[in-house]
Amino acid sequence: QVQLVQSGAEVKKPGASVKVSCKASGYSFINYGISWVRQAPGQGLEWMGWISAYNGNTNYAQKFQGRVTMTTDTSTSTAYMELRSLRSDDTAVYYCARVHYRKLDYWGQGTLVTVSS
Amino acid sequence: DVVMTQTPLSLSVTPGQPASISCKSSQSPLHSDGRTYLYWYLQKPGQPPQLLIYEVSNRFSGVPDRFSGSGSGRDFTLKISRVEAVDVGVYYCMQTLQPITFGQGTRLDIK
Repeated sequence: QVQLVQSGAEVKKPGASVKVSCKASGYSFINYGISWVRQAPGQGLEWMGWISAYNGNTNYAQKFQGRVTMTTDTSTSTAYMELRSLRSDDTAVYYCARVHYRKLDYWGQGTLVTVSS
Repeated sequence: DVVMTQTPLSLSVTPGQPASISCKSSQSPLHSDGRTYLYWYLQKPGQPPQLLIYEVSNRFSGVPDRFSGSGSGRDFTLKISRVEAVDVGVYYCMQTLQPITFGQGTRLDIK
């Protein structure tokens, strides 16, 4: 069965960077994309961007351009999302989701990133 | 960006009764390929979102047939024919014309 397993919770100081991983199993990794979506505490869902596992093409939401990098490692079927220059309002649960014909069909369990001095 | 507006923001439903959630988009999620990229998700407490409906009206694998989606243009609806206790959570609509945007969510609880 399709599974996306994300890395554990992180606590970072303002100005630092965080890199979240998302390990896929149960499907052919390179045939799908991965989107990243975040959810601040008690808030709604915010799309951050997408990466093709096939060729590494990316499409970032304008809000995160210049501060986010999404990558994949096809040898381990793992996607990564790095967010730099962290601020307190980046505190959120970060989700990866498989993209299949534009639908985000399977989601990881989420990774809580807390930014606090 | 396409703004997705959901109504109501919350609803309380007696088990066995129907429920309906509206989602209005500021622009149609109809793509030039003829498909309408409008989706519905349920986020149960403490869990990631789970896909219910894709492309307006198609139930995703394993989704009970009490869930149905409809609509066209800029107006879309998710209906639950008979609400069950397991349906509690926050429902989101989403469109995937670039950039992807979500509605603000509708919280459903049981009376």
